[in-house]
Amino acid sequence: GENVEQHPSTLSVQEGDSAVIKCTYSDSASNYFPWYKQELGKGPQLIIDIRSNVGEKKDQRIAVTLNKTAKHFSLHITETQPEDSAVYFCAAQFTGGSQGNLIFGKGTKLSVKP
Amino acid sequence: GAGVSQTPSNKVTEKGKYVELRCDPISGHTALYWYRQSLGQGPEFLIYFQGTGAADDSGLPNDRFFAVRPEGSVSTLKIQRTERGDSAVYLCASSYQESTEAFFGQGTRLTVV
Repeated sequence: GENVEQHPSTLSVQEGDSAVIKCTYSDSASNYFPWYKQELGKGPQLIIDIRSNVGEKKDQRIAVTLNKTAKHFSLHITETQPEDSAVYFCAAQFTGGSQGNLIFGKGTKLSVKP
Repeated sequence: GAGVSQTPSNKVTEKGKYVELRCDPISGHTALYWYRQSLGQGPEFLIYFQGTGAADDSGLPNDRFFAVRPEGSVSTLKIQRTERGDSAVYLCASSYQESTEAFFGQGTRLTVV
């Protein structure tokens, strides 16, 4: 079945450094790749997404890259701040046909040390 | 509020009991998803509604789990004969259409004792 692998499971950086989280997916038909941030006791919050017709997308300090050939996509956070500390999830979705569910990675716990 | 609302936020029930979890999606969103999240794991897909019908229920673990969305808005996830292994956070999400961004609620933390 479809699978999304996410690495690393934990990541600790100093404030101001960059953080990179990587994901691979198994279903080559996947065409939508969102990233979610989840703080303790809250639901996942969409922070950025990318579709398969785009290789890179940036929103202020956050960027996502997609390599469809290799079935890789990555989240890049620059100039990290303590409030970036949370669990980040990547996900993949095939938006055609009747299947609409997101397949999530297992998450990366990011800690930003002041 | 403008977001996805889930009630209750916490539910403690005894093994063998029946529970209902409610989700109010964002107004106008036709797609609604239920996910289950165990501690330290990513959300796991349960069921997806497009309007009133379940377009994909392949994630429901067994026939003790059932979900409805009779009017294409509010959805209820129903769990019969609860087991301790059902303890998790149950998340609901909605999106305007199947292929657009999904927004999650805060979740219902279910504890079966």
